Amino acid sequence: GAGVSQSPSNKVTEKGKDVELRCDPISGHTALYWYRQSLGQGLEFLIYFQGNSAPDKSGLPSDRFSAERTGGSVSTLTIQRTQQEDSAVYLCASSLEGVRQTQYFGPGTRLLVL
Amino acid sequence: GQQLNQSPQSMFIQEGEDVSMNCTSSSIFNTWLWYKQDPGEGPVLLIALYKAGELTSNGRLTAQFGITRKDSFLNISASIPSDVGIYFCAGSNSGGSNYKLTFGKGTLLTVNP
Repeated sequence: GAGVSQSPSNKVTEKGKDVELRCDPISGHTALYWYRQSLGQGLEFLIYFQGNSAPDKSGLPSDRFSAERTGGSVSTLTIQRTQQEDSAVYLCASSLEGVRQTQYFGPGTRLLVL
Repeated sequence: GQQLNQSPQSMFIQEGEDVSMNCTSSSIFNTWLWYKQDPGEGPVLLIALYKAGELTSNGRLTAQFGITRKDSFLNISASIPSDVGIYFCAGSNSGGSNYKLTFGKGTLLTVNP
């Protein structure tokens, strides 16, 4: 069956450019999450979507980061004016709503800012 | 914010050996999770723990939710080469929905055949 997919798999960009990262959740999963994983670090929570709304954006590191979700499905994470410290793997996960639901992760987008 | 200390950072063992890793927290969690991440992939959930003192097994894996709610351990028995990967603990306090996970930095496991 189809799992969580993310695109692109890899992205190299120049400092100052904007990037968009895409996440396609598992069909029927209403909850969607974005995490960032820096080299040698654990995953850092960025944002959580319940349907199309984001009740918790507390993990977004700066106002250069934004995310949206449309149609209760696809989500886009946008990083404006990228900086070198934005280089990381950006992981998306999805789950059903409700208690004790497992988050299923995509393979991630590896972002390198030169 | 909450932080998880995961140890050891890395382990190099012989096939067939048992492995133990643990996480401690500066504050309590009401859910503990253990994930495994293979290279180029996202983490996959191994075991979920929801009650203090709970001991749960999944095949050769056993995990426990510490009674203080500030720690958890994962044991792998009779390791095999495919156990290689990075193991992460994660905790949650966002009710049973687990939407906001705090992750440890991971334990890199290498198994020598």
